[in-house]
Amino acid sequence: GNSVTQMEGPVTLSEEAFLTINCTYTATGYPSLFWYVQYPGEGLQLLLKATKADDKGSNKGFEATYRKETTSFHLEKGSVQVSDSAVYFCALSQNTGGFKTIFGAGTRLFVKA
Amino acid sequence: NAGVTQTPKFQVLKTGQSMTLQCAQDMNHNSMYWYRQDPGMGLRLIYYSASEGTTDKGEVPNGYNVSRLNKREFSLRLESAAPSQTSVYFCASSEEGLRNNEQFFGPGTRLTVL
Repeated sequence: GNSVTQMEGPVTLSEEAFLTINCTYTATGYPSLFWYVQYPGEGLQLLLKATKADDKGSNKGFEATYRKETTSFHLEKGSVQVSDSAVYFCALSQNTGGFKTIFGAGTRLFVKA
Repeated sequence: NAGVTQTPKFQVLKTGQSMTLQCAQDMNHNSMYWYRQDPGMGLRLIYYSASEGTTDKGEVPNGYNVSRLNKREFSLRLESAAPSQTSVYFCASSEEGLRNNEQFFGPGTRLTVL
């Protein structure tokens, strides 16, 4: 069945460091891929998405490229800020006659000033 | 425009008690969902409703029931709470379904079952 695997956290970085959070997936066909972010005490909110191979999603300085050949959708940001501290979830969705959205386990990011 | 609202924010139950979690959205979305979030396990879908009047089981439906009262409201009921149902519960909605569309989440209900 479909699955999403994220790198385990927590990830701790200093402000202005480069961020990569790895995400790989298993799915048949061509799912849509998402990154959601969850700030403390809040629900998830969409950060970016990509709906087909080689698409690059971007938002707030974050970006991720849909790589079909490596079944990956790694999240990157060139210079993190303290305000980026949150939990990041990779997810895939696929319309195969019913619900098919799978979330990864989440990766907690701490950014130190 | 409040988005997705959930009540209550916190709840403590004893084993065997029942309760209903309420969810409402004001975005005129057709689809609504209930998830539970447990440490290290991401979000798991309990039930969803693709449109008013329809509901379907998700990944972990046992011990739960749902009602899609109208297009705005989607409630989750625990008939006889168990400690294994201690979790954070999120309601979400989306416009057409899950393929390409963003899901909008409520702030969550933190439930503890003693």
